Amino acid sequence: DARVTQTPRHKVTEMGQEVTMRCQPILGHNTVFWYRQTMMQGLELLAYFRNRAPLDDSGMPKDRFSAEMPDATLATLKIQPSEPRDSAVYFCASAAREGNSNQPQHFGDGTRLSIL
Amino acid sequence: QKEVEQDPGPLSVPEGAIVSLNCTYSNSAFQYFMWYRQYSRKGPELLMYTYSSGNKEDGRFTAQVDKSSKYISLFIRDSQPSDSATYLCAINDYKLSFGAGTTVTVRA
Repeated sequence: DARVTQTPRHKVTEMGQEVTMRCQPILGHNTVFWYRQTMMQGLELLAYFRNRAPLDDSGMPKDRFSAEMPDATLATLKIQPSEPRDSAVYFCASAAREGNSNQPQHFGDGTRLSIL
Repeated sequence: QKEVEQDPGPLSVPEGAIVSLNCTYSNSAFQYFMWYRQYSRKGPELLMYTYSSGNKEDGRFTAQVDKSSKYISLFIRDSQPSDSATYLCAINDYKLSFGAGTTVTVRA
């Protein structure tokens, strides 16, 4: 069964530290999404890529967050410097999309981030 | 106004009951509607995916879309304790806009 793989599954670090979260999309999927889930806000889209190009990062705080796709098998989300309010579960999802198709997204199991 | 509003629950039902979950959405142009199930400490898992109006059935699960009232529903028949999870409705417009989620507990 093809799955989106996220690492690490858990991360606890101190405020001010750099955090890097990684995602391996399902092989053949060309669209990758980053979401953040909190109790207060639910699931929110941070950024998404198609064919490794960023298409929308309007949900991401630009001053401290950055998202990249170094290659088709790896997406990264970095926070520098991290703050306690960044504590959340970060999900990556991928989909196979061409043109205007709207194939559903498949999620990884998330990175649970705690900033002390 | 959020694009998708979902009844917050939580919902607790006895085993075998019908579970009814509902969402409303704001933009009548939306065409793709989804239901995800999320178990504790796991990622959302796609449950049902419907396009435009009508019903879609998959085993014990039925998804309904009423575009005239901008209302989407998920029904779970003969509910089982293993159905206990958070259910999220979503509108798929290239990116997903999620409802807040309804936590369902099915009591054995």
